[in-house]
Parts: sequence; structure tokens; C-alpha cells
Amino acid sequence: DGGITQSPKYLFRKEGQNVTLSCEQNLNHDAMYWYRQDPGQGLRLIYYSQIVNDFQKGDIAEGYSVSREKKESFPLTVTSAQKNPTAFYLCASSFSVTAAGTQYFGPGTRLTVL
Amino acid sequence: QQQVKQSPQSLIVQKGGISIINCAYENTAFDYFPWYQQFPGKGPALLIAIRPDVSEKKEGRFTISFNKSAKQFSLHIMDSQPGDSATYFCAASEPNSGYALNFGKGTSLLVTP
Repeated sequence: DGGITQSPKYLFRKEGQNVTLSCEQNLNHDAMYWYRQDPGQGLRLIYYSQIVNDFQKGDIAEGYSVSREKKESFPLTVTSAQKNPTAFYLCASSFSVTAAGTQYFGPGTRLTVL
Repeated sequence: QQQVKQSPQSLIVQKGGISIINCAYENTAFDYFPWYQQFPGKGPALLIAIRPDVSEKKEGRFTISFNKSAKQFSLHIMDSQPGDSATYFCAASEPNSGYALNFGKGTSLLVTP
């Protein structure tokens, strides 16, 4: 059963804590992306990775960090430096970054800061 | 800043009617224009996409119209059904940013019975 999995589905964090969101894909895709979704704002790009051990900042990278040690995995850490982290976080992947194509999205993680 | 502007923010259409959502962009480096459909609590799913070398693409009840000179594109949903009620996002991407998607803010569509 191919696809993208994100865990957990819901996550609660106290202010000042770092938290890591998981994203795994078994589609053999090279590219992976993290987006943040806020009501009425659409989706905004946080980070993207074109290949293992390489990643680039998106439009709203401040307060976030990522790693890409394996092709299948692209975890996102929300640090205490992120001023307003409560949001719906979506991970996506696509076959290649050399040509535009379908991005497949995971089911998302809803993060709430208490 | 928002690179893709989408309107309207919300739309109510009667069953059987035509739903039309519009998007505009400025970056001429964009070369891929997908539309995504999202149901509450789920991730977006690709609905239909177009490249700028064609002016129209149709898949079933869904059609994208693309106007390169005006830098505008739109989604038409023919014979709209209650099951089409969802949020629709237009997007655009370009090679310089790894084809990461630049999304519009979304249109919440409600199709009434």
C-alpha cells in the first residue's frame, strides 16, 4: 500500500518545547516538501528536499528545522523559536524535481500549542 | 507575499450548476498549474493540472482554462454535485524552487441539493 504517512495525527505541545513531526513515504520519490496550513491562508512552504542530505528553505522556514538522512523520511522539527506554531502541517512528495509533476500529500498533523 | 491570487474565497452553487474559481499570478517562470481538492481534516489531492502550452484541459466534469497573456487560469466544475463540496486550491510551480507549490488561499465550495 503506497503513500505518505504522517504521525501523529494530533500533537499538543507546551510553549518552549521542541517537537518533531514524522513524514515517511514509500513511493520512491526523490523530492519531499513540508507545508503549513492556516485557516484562510492556503498552504505555505516551510522546507523542501530534492535529494538525500540536501534541503532548502521555503517561504516560512524561521523556527523550523528538517533533516533528510533517508530517501523515505523527512522529519520536521518545530522549535521554540517558532512564534505561532499552532497549525495543520502537511508533508508531500513528488517523483522528481527536474520536472513538475503530481505532489502527493500525507493526511497531516494538527499541532496545538497549549 | 502571495504569488498566486485566488477568488472567490467562498462559493455556493446549486446542484447541477457550474462552479467557477479563478486564479492569477505574476511570476512568468511558473510552468505548471495544478488544482487541488481538500476535504476537512485531510491532505489535498490533485484534481487536474495544466502546462502553459495549452489553453484548456478537460477531465470529466473538471476543466482548466488557461490564459497565458493575462496570467490567469480558472477551474470550471460542470454539473456540480454535493460531493464536490470541498476547499479548492490553485497552485503554481517553477523549476527554480524544486517545483514546490505556491498555493492560492483557497475557495470553499458548497454545492446545495
